[in-house]
Amino acid sequence: KAGVTQTPRYLIKTRGQQVTLSCSPISGHRSVSWYQQTPGQGLQFLFEYFSETQRNKGNFPGRFSGRQFSNSRSEMNVSTLELGDSALYLCASSSPGTGEFSYEQYFGPGTRLTVT
Amino acid sequence: GNSVTQMEGPVTLSEEAFLTINCTYTATGYPSLFWYVQYPGEGLQLLLKATKADDKGSNKGFEATYRKETTSFHLEKGSVQVSDSAVYFCALIQLSNDYKLSFGAGTTVTVRA
Repeated sequence: KAGVTQTPRYLIKTRGQQVTLSCSPISGHRSVSWYQQTPGQGLQFLFEYFSETQRNKGNFPGRFSGRQFSNSRSEMNVSTLELGDSALYLCASSSPGTGEFSYEQYFGPGTRLTVT
Repeated sequence: GNSVTQMEGPVTLSEEAFLTINCTYTATGYPSLFWYVQYPGEGLQLLLKATKADDKGSNKGFEATYRKETTSFHLEKGSVQVSDSAVYFCALIQLSNDYKLSFGAGTTVTVRA
């Protein structure tokens, strides 16, 4: 099976712009989660989607939003970019409800966002 | 809320040395516990897991035992290789109604030949 894919891998944006990141989960996985990784804050949960519904959201401002499509692919959007949004954004997919290990999350390679 | 406290690094070892990375957690109920590894420039890879007390997760020579009495999930490897150089993250997830992984700060391990 192909793994989680994220596009683009690298992105450079200017303060004030907006950005959209894309994530394609492992085939058959219906849950997609997003995490932000920075040297200062470590790995922080952004949100989780299952069957096109957001089930959980982390403590991030409203500039961060996401959605999931009927094919389970997900996008996250950051509007009005700030310098502090520079980070590695990781997407993970899982297949809840399929047994003991149903909450294993498999990560993509991430999108490295640099805001200048 | 849930939290994970992980041994601070960096850790530098010689090849064939014994590695231990301490991890303790705070959670209500019975979380599932994981170790993830991140190699330079890559995403996180699931290294091993345990879903209930006294479970031992193992993979690629690494082991960790879910100790509910001490709320710990320490990672060990008996003989490390240069290729084990990476950042290791301890994490938990609560299966009741929480769909997010809570991570420790990560421990950077460097193995020298």
